Amino acid sequence: EPEVTQTPSHQVTQMGQEVILRCVPISNHLYFYWYRQILGQKVEFLVSFYNNEISEKSEIFDDQFSVERPDGSNFTLKIRSTKLEDSAMYFCASRGDFGGEQYFGPGTRLTVT
Amino acid sequence: DQQVKQNSPSLSVQEGRISILNCDYTNSMFDYFLWYKKYPAEGPTFLISISSIKDKNEDGRFTVFLNKSAKHLSLHIVPSQPGDSAVYFCAASEPLSFGNEKLTFGTGTRLTIIP
Repeated sequence: EPEVTQTPSHQVTQMGQEVILRCVPISNHLYFYWYRQILGQKVEFLVSFYNNEISEKSEIFDDQFSVERPDGSNFTLKIRSTKLEDSAMYFCASRGDFGGEQYFGPGTRLTVT
Repeated sequence: DQQVKQNSPSLSVQEGRISILNCDYTNSMFDYFLWYKKYPAEGPTFLISISSIKDKNEDGRFTVFLNKSAKHLSLHIVPSQPGDSAVYFCAASEPLSFGNEKLTFGTGTRLTIIP
C-alpha cells in the first residue's frame, strides 16, 4: 500500500540553525500539507501546497518557514532560524483529489536546544 | 480558538463493549469530518469520515454519527478490541479553493480497551 514517508525521524538542532524536513508524498497525489504537534497539544495545520504554490497557510507559518517541491517526488519544509518553541512533531500529508482523505507520514520529531 | 473540541482526554472500555468518542465543533464552514487513529511515534491514520450532508456512515465495526444542528459528531466502535487502544482525533475539513481543504483537529481522546 502506498504511504507517505518522512526523513529524518528525529532531528536535533541548535537554536538559530536552519533545518529542512523532507517528505515523499504518495506518488499520484496533488495536494500536500504540513502539520505540527507540540508535545501534549493538538495537531495544527501549517500550510497547504497545490499546483506548485502555497494555497493556504496558518498564522504559525511566518517568514521563517518555507516549503518547496523541488522535483516530482519530494516536498520539503524549511525553518530558517529555529527557535526553542519550534520543537514539535512535524507531519507531512498528501491527498489525491477532491473528496479524498489526507494520508499522513510518520512524522519528524524536531528538537531545538 | 478551539473550533474542534474533544472534551474527554481519556476513555477506558471493556473488551467487547461499545466505545463512544465524542467531538464538538463551532465553525459552520466545516463540510466534512474525519476520525484519525494515532499510535505513539506514528502519524495519524485515517479511520472513517462523514460528509455534512449525511448523518451516519458505517464501516465495519466503526460508525460515525453527525448531528449538524448540535454541531456534534461521535465515533462508535463495536465491539471494542484491544488493538483499538490508541489516541483518536476528530478532524474537520474546511474547503479551500481548487478542491483543496484544511483540517482542524481536536485535542484527541486516548482510548484504552481493557481485556
